[in-house]
Amino acid sequence: EAQVTQNPRYLITVTGKKLTVTCSQNMNHEYMSWYRQDPGLGLRQIYYSMNVEVTDKGDVPEGYKVSRKEKRNFPLILESPSPNQTSLYFCASSSRQNNSPLHFGNGTRLTVT
Amino acid sequence: AQSVSQHNHHVILSEAASLELGCNYSYGGTVNLFWYVQYPGQHLQLLLKYFSGDPLVKGIKGFEAEFIKSKFSFNLRKPSVQWSDTAEYFCAVGSSASKIIFGSGTRLSIRP
Repeated sequence: EAQVTQNPRYLITVTGKKLTVTCSQNMNHEYMSWYRQDPGLGLRQIYYSMNVEVTDKGDVPEGYKVSRKEKRNFPLILESPSPNQTSLYFCASSSRQNNSPLHFGNGTRLTVT
Repeated sequence: AQSVSQHNHHVILSEAASLELGCNYSYGGTVNLFWYVQYPGQHLQLLLKYFSGDPLVKGIKGFEAEFIKSKFSFNLRKPSVQWSDTAEYFCAVGSSASKIIFGSGTRLSIRP
């Protein structure tokens, strides 16, 4: 089954404790992206990757890092989480064809205390 | 600046009522238009998309949307809603996967 898999689904942590949210897709998609969803703000792009070893900042990259060492994986790293990073995070992927829609993971609800 | 506006933040309807959710955009160049739906506790799923051709697009579950270029709009419609349509709906606009902008979403609540 074609899917985007995120782990964990829920995460509660404390300020400053490094964490990683994993994302994996099995559709051989070149493009992958991370979004955060906050009430009233919709989805805002954090980082995206057009292919292996190619990453770029989205609209709200501060406090986040990503890597794309393999085509299928695109982890999101919070080196020193802060309470304002409490949010619902979605990973998405698509092929590079212009008209391709995004396929989303099930989301990770992160709480930073 | 590129932007997507969904003016209705929360819409409450009774079952069998007709639905229209507004979406207006500001975007230079060729646009691809999308509506995504997010059911409670789930991820976003594609409802329908428009790239070119017939401006009236039909999607899954009886939804449709009309692209009106002169009004920069891509409103979502459904003639008769069901309780299972309760969800949050996002309009999105972009020229490529890396340049998709999402609206702030419209929460739809259906009274049984």
